Amino acid sequence: AQSVAQPEDQVNVAEGNPLTVKCTYSVSGNPYLFWYVQYPNRGLQFLLKYITGDNLVKGSYGFEAEFNKSQTSFHLKKPSALVSDSALYFCAVRDGVRGKLIFGQGTTLQVKP
Amino acid sequence: KAGVTQTPRYLIKTRGQQVTLSCSPISGHRSVSWYQQTPGQGLQFLFEYFSETQRNKGNFPGRFSGRQFSNSRSEMNVSTLELGDSALYLCASSLDQGAGGNEQFFGPGTRLTVL
Repeated sequence: AQSVAQPEDQVNVAEGNPLTVKCTYSVSGNPYLFWYVQYPNRGLQFLLKYITGDNLVKGSYGFEAEFNKSQTSFHLKKPSALVSDSALYFCAVRDGVRGKLIFGQGTTLQVKP
Repeated sequence: KAGVTQTPRYLIKTRGQQVTLSCSPISGHRSVSWYQQTPGQGLQFLFEYFSETQRNKGNFPGRFSGRQFSNSRSEMNVSTLELGDSALYLCASSLDQGAGGNEQFFGPGTRLTVL
């Protein structure tokens, strides 16, 4: 069965510093991987996805993610964090080509001025 | 293009009642998925509809049901509400979830409180 894990409940980073939010996955076959962000009292917003091709995927708001097949990871990164990046981040994997999205438990990112 | 809309945004019900939540997908999107979000369980998949047919189903009891109309709008129904059904219910639409790379676009959610 497909699964995804976010090992950190919370990540704290100072504004201007690089940030990384970790995600590991387990799939049979080719992975379809996604990152979403959720601000308080809002739905999820799509950030980026990996389907195939380049291992470094660029997305919205300056975020990028690195797909690593050997480590089965898909970490979210940003070179310089903003206070406004503070939110709840979800990694997700598609359960097969026609399947549902399976979400990780979420990581709260706290960016302090 | 208008985003995914969900109505109502907030609901308060009592145990034993039933509730119907509505979701209007982005124009042109034929796939609609529903999720339950709670602090303890995180985001859990309820079901997905595509062209008026349920294509995928999560591990929820039969009290949770849904349907999709010919205009792709979807409703989900929860009967005999329990306290544990209190959650944020999120609807998401996509062009065609069958193509594995299509991202889903989420609505703002309906906050259901069961007293």
